[in-house]
Amino acid sequence: AQSVTQLGSHVSVSEGALVLLRCNYSSSVPPYLFWYVQYPNQGLQLLLKYTSAATLVKGINGFEAEFKKSETSFHLTKPSAHMSDAAEYFCAVRSSFNYGQNFVFGPGTRLSVLP
Amino acid sequence: DAGVTQSPTHLIKTRGQQVTLRCSPKSGHDTVSWYQQALGQGPQFIFQYYEEEERQRGNFPDRFSGHQFPNYSSELNVNALLLGDSALYLCASSLVAGSGEQYFGPGTRLTVT
Repeated sequence: AQSVTQLGSHVSVSEGALVLLRCNYSSSVPPYLFWYVQYPNQGLQLLLKYTSAATLVKGINGFEAEFKKSETSFHLTKPSAHMSDAAEYFCAVRSSFNYGQNFVFGPGTRLSVLP
Repeated sequence: DAGVTQSPTHLIKTRGQQVTLRCSPKSGHDTVSWYQQALGQGPQFIFQYYEEEERQRGNFPDRFSGHQFPNYSSELNVNALLLGDSALYLCASSLVAGSGEQYFGPGTRLTVT
């Protein structure tokens, strides 16, 4: 069975500081990994995805994530936080791209950006 | 190019009633998945439809049912509503032959009183 843990339900950073949101997964097969962002009262927007190509994945809005198989991690980073980055971030895992393979989401991390 | 749309935006129902939520997938997508997101939690998978059939189901009771139409749009039906069914219901669409990511709609906020 697949599962996702996100360490830290709430992370606060100062504007301009490094953003690090942690994600660890459990999967019996090589996983496909995703990060989504959710702004208040909105649906989820895809930030980036790992599909077994390059281990360092670049996404939108300056975010990137690195897949580390030995640590079963897929942490999300951004070198310099912006006020507009304040939102809820979800890590998700999927075992394959075959239909019927659903996403398993983590509980989410709320990012606050302080001026 | 229209993204995933859902209706209604908000809904208030009473315990025991029935509700139908609607979703239109992103243009060109053929697969629709439904998720329940309780307040402060991550989305939980309800079920997925492809070719008008339910392909996989999460850990939700039979009170939750769905349908996919020939134009790929989908409905989620919930019978005998409970207070615990109050949540944001998200629809996501994807392409079965695509690269795997799902595109989400804005959701329907259901409140059961």
